[in-house]
Amino acid sequence: DVKVTQSSRYLVKRTGEKVFLECVQDMDHENMFWYRQDPGLGLRLIYFSYDVKMKEKGDIPEGYSVSREKKERFSLILESASTNQTSMYLCASSLQGKGYTFGSGTRLTVV
Amino acid sequence: QQQVKQSPQSLIVQKGGISIINCAYENTAFDYFPWYQQFPGKGPALLIAIRPDVSEKKEGRFTISFNKSAKQFSLHIMDSQPGDSATYFCAASTGFQKLVFGTGTRLLVSP
Repeated sequence: DVKVTQSSRYLVKRTGEKVFLECVQDMDHENMFWYRQDPGLGLRLIYFSYDVKMKEKGDIPEGYSVSREKKERFSLILESASTNQTSMYLCASSLQGKGYTFGSGTRLTVV
Repeated sequence: QQQVKQSPQSLIVQKGGISIINCAYENTAFDYFPWYQQFPGKGPALLIAIRPDVSEKKEGRFTISFNKSAKQFSLHIMDSQPGDSATYFCAASTGFQKLVFGTGTRLLVSP
C-alpha cells in the first residue's frame, strides 16, 4: 500500500514564525496535494503539484507556499504563521486519474 | 460549476439501519466519483468509487448509486454499525484533474 507520511502529528507555533510541514510518499506518485480541514468547511485545497518543481495554487493559497524538490517530498510553508492558520493540514498523493492517498494529518495550533 | 454539494451535514442512524448520504454536482464532465471515510485523528481513506458508465457499485455493506441524468450520487451503508461512525466525503473529478470534495457528513451510528 502507498504510504503518505506527515512529519508531525501536532505542532504549536507562535504568531509570525515560519512553519514547515513536510510530507513524503513512498510510491512513484506524480501528484501531491496540501489541504486544510476545518469544521463545517470540509477539505480546502491549498496547493498541488503534478511534477517535481511544479506547483499550482489551489482554492486558498494566501499565506502559504510550497516546495517540491524531489518527487516523493512536498513541503508546505507558512511564511508568517497567523492564528487563522490554526487547522488540520492533510497531505495527499495520487497517480493521474486515480484516487488520493492521504496522510494522517498535522494539527497545527498558532498561538 | 466545480462544486459538489453534500447532504446532510450530520446523520444519526440506529445500529442495523441504512445510512444514506447524498451528493449533487453541476459539471457534466466529471467522470470519477469516489467516497472517502475519515475516522477522528486520521486522514480520509478511499472507501469506494464509481465511474458514470454504471448506475450502481457495491462493496460489502457499502453501495454507491449514481444517477447521471439527475447529476446525483449517493452512498448507502447497509446494516450500519457503530464502527461506521466517521465523517464521509464525496468527491468528483474529470480526467486527470484534481478532485473536488463535498463538505462532509458526520455519521453517528448509535448502539
